Amino acid sequence: QKEVEQDPGPLSVPEGAIVSLNCTYSNSAFQYFMWYRQYSRKGPELLMYTYSSGNKEDGRFTAQVDKSSKYISLFIRDSQPSDSATYLCAMSEWDSNYQLIWGAGTKLIIKP
Amino acid sequence: NAGVTQTPKFQVLKTGQSMTLQCAQDMNHNSMYWYRQDPGMGLRLIYYSASEGTTDKGEVPNGYNVSRLNKREFSLRLESAAPSQTSVYFCASSESSSGPYEQYFGPGTRLTVT
Repeated sequence: QKEVEQDPGPLSVPEGAIVSLNCTYSNSAFQYFMWYRQYSRKGPELLMYTYSSGNKEDGRFTAQVDKSSKYISLFIRDSQPSDSATYLCAMSEWDSNYQLIWGAGTKLIIKP
Repeated sequence: NAGVTQTPKFQVLKTGQSMTLQCAQDMNHNSMYWYRQDPGMGLRLIYYSASEGTTDKGEVPNGYNVSRLNKREFSLRLESAAPSQTSVYFCASSESSSGPYEQYFGPGTRLTVT
């Protein structure tokens, strides 16, 4: 079993829909939770990160962490075709940025 | 300000050939990383350099060597390429190897070994 599980998709939704992307993990020591976005043939770029539990909002994006369930989510409101990309979750324990553990990524397609 | 640059962008090797992937960053970051990305596997850390003059193995170091040439440059060498090393290779950098510092990625090198 992988330490971080993420459905590879593809997930296809119409423009304007609310998108929910999720990851589950098994290591209860993870403290930092990150979402990266990767456009086709590009490197990943950090979208959001949260520390420990709770929610964080940035514009149309909301990241949620539920440590009791070992489950994290990224919500995208009013989705746009430009949001079409692969979304990767990544996690690490406290003070170990070099040990990011990555999900396989979910490919998201927003249909105009 | 170019961020993280990688050369080459594409490469085809025959089994047993060697090559070096180059990476440079202009953000004055201390830490640098080499990852490989395979379909369905996510990103896997090959080697990292927490600071100039230090390198450490990551999750999948076998078949690779690295050199932290200076603070800006971190190269990855394949001494004898194998088909299993066909992958997309990403270099990344961050301010530090501890804490939640954002990792900045280069555009990647697509390597095919036949």
